[in-house]
Order: sequence, then structure tokens, then C-alpha cells
Amino acid sequence: AQSVTQLDSHVSVSEGTPVLLRCNYSSSYSPSLFWYVQHPNKGLQLLLKYTSAATLVKGINGFEAEFKKSETSFHLTKPSAHMSDAAEYFCVVSDRGGGYQKVTFGTGTKLQVIP
Amino acid sequence: GAVVSQHPSRVICKSGTSVKIECRSLDFQATTMFWYRQFPKQSLMLMATSNEGSKATYEQGVEKDKFLINHASLTLSTLTVTSAHPEDSSFYICSAIGESYGYTFGSGTRLTVV
Repeated sequence: AQSVTQLDSHVSVSEGTPVLLRCNYSSSYSPSLFWYVQHPNKGLQLLLKYTSAATLVKGINGFEAEFKKSETSFHLTKPSAHMSDAAEYFCVVSDRGGGYQKVTFGTGTKLQVIP
Repeated sequence: GAVVSQHPSRVICKSGTSVKIECRSLDFQATTMFWYRQFPKQSLMLMATSNEGSKATYEQGVEKDKFLINHASLTLSTLTVTSAHPEDSSFYICSAIGESYGYTFGSGTRLTVV
């Protein structure tokens, strides 16, 4: 079975403080994991992806995520939040179970950055 | 990097008419394309998966006669919303996957049915 859980629907941080957006996944196969960001009225933008290479993945805009198989987690972090980081973030899991590609989106985490 | 072009970005149509949305992979061959719908303040909902040259696989609850998907080539998939009604107003996004790329999303289409 494939599923993804974003543990927080809303996260609020002060500008300049660290960001942590949590994601747990379930997959019966070797999954690929992604984080996407969606700014208001815009399309999705890929932040980073894990596809069975290095477990610590660095993405754009200073974001990174660590794949932890033992914890089935893929949390997104950034050392210092900027106002422009305010957006909705989606964690996505994908695998090729049963011979076909399947993908599941998390329900999203809205990040608010307070000046 | 991989680019997926989705057109139009915005469309307003009258109730009862049909609207076609195009999704093109510009610099890679997309073996599989996905169509999503996003309701306000909600996550993306997968509507269907299409593989080039075969019929699309629709998710449960998605009307295949209403949302026609055609994946005629390795670089083009289309979604046609037939006999659109105001409740079809939504944000539709496609994504494509090729052998060497992960998921690449189009920029989305905001459909408003009046």
C-alpha cells in the first residue's frame, strides 16, 4: 500500500528561524519521494527529490530533506526562513508497484512566515 | 532540465461547452502522464494516468465520459472537459514522467465555468 502523511496542515515560523515540515510515507516498494511548493495561484515547483541515491537531498532555495527508511520519514528543512517561503508544500511518494507507476500526494502543509 | 508545457493557463467557458487542456513534454518523451485536479484549499487529487497509445486509467469516482484523456504521442496528452458545468471549475494540473526524469509538472490550468 502506498500513502503519505503530512503531519501538520499549518506551520508558522518567524523570519530567520528554522523550518521543519514533516512527512511520513508508506510504500511496499522502493519509493521515490518528492517535495513540491505551490505559491498562491501558481503551479507546482519541484523543490527536491529522493530516488535511491544519497539519503540527504539538497534542493532549491536552501531546502533539504533526509530520507530515513527506518522512520519512513522524509522531512523538509531549511535553516532560515524567508518571507518568500510562505506557500503550500506537498510531499509526494511514488513507486512502481504491481508493474505500474503510482503516485500519492500528501494533503499539504501551509507555511506562514512572520516578519 | 525537463519542461512540461500546459495550455491554456486560464480559461473561462460557458456551461455546456467543452474545454480542451494540452500538456506537452518539451524536451523529453513522457512514457506516462498524469492529470490532477485541485479544489480550493485542498491537495491535488489524481484523476487519471495515461500511457502513450493506450486508454487512460481513471481513479475511482472520476467520470471517464466527462473527462476525456488522450495520450496520442510521447510528448502530448490532452484532457477534455465535456459539457462543463460550474462544479467543474477547478485548477487542473498535468505531470509527465520519462525514463530519465522524475515527475515534472505543468504550470496548471484554471478553469472557470460560468
